[in-house]
Amino acid sequence: EVQLVESGGTLVHPGGSLRLSCAASGFDFSSSEMSWVRQAPGKGLEWISYVSSRGPTKSYADSVKGRFTIYRDNTKKSLYLQMNSLRAEDTAVYFCVRESGGDYGDFAWWGQGTLVTVSS
Amino acid sequence: DIQMTQSPASLSASVGDRITLTCRASQTISNYLNWYQQKPGKAPNLLIYGTSNLQSGVPSRFSGSGSGTDFTLTISSLQPEDFATYYCQQSYRTPRTFGQGTKVEVK
Repeated sequence: EVQLVESGGTLVHPGGSLRLSCAASGFDFSSSEMSWVRQAPGKGLEWISYVSSRGPTKSYADSVKGRFTIYRDNTKKSLYLQMNSLRAEDTAVYFCVRESGGDYGDFAWWGQGTLVTVSS
Repeated sequence: DIQMTQSPASLSASVGDRITLTCRASQTISNYLNWYQQKPGKAPNLLIYGTSNLQSGVPSRFSGSGSGTDFTLTISSLQPEDFATYYCQQSYRTPRTFGQGTKVEVK
């Protein structure tokens, strides 16, 4: 069974930093493309970052570019999101997502999410 | 960026109704359109990928169609567990943008 378990969400002050982790199990993590998607309270979904299976290809939404870094450790079957210079508008539930690996780039598996609150 | 616009923003319906949700892209996305269902406090769940392909385990009352810029999700006979928010997403270009969602509520 595919499992994605996020951790690291907490309350952080504006300008602060945080690292989110996602522990994967039940599938071949090293062959899977992964993304982070977030959802602000009461709002819709926002894709924020992608990393290829071996890690060399990364992409970011403009809203986080230059502040967030996605990376992975295939030996630990873990995905990470380093978040710097946090702003109030980064407050959201952050989901770790595994792509299906098919032709359409769909997000077939989601973690339960971890809440990041940016507030003074 | 490709903008995704869903309509309506909310919809009131009854069990057994046939409903259709619409998603429009700001530019052509071929058939790179996916649909997700989300219930309160839960992660989204993939329903349809590539416009019309039913994800494994999803009931056949869900179907998708469209191409280019205009897409629809149809639920042929609404069930109690289908009251939720539905999001479309394009995967044609990065950033892979979502629509703002359509909330399906009990009438």
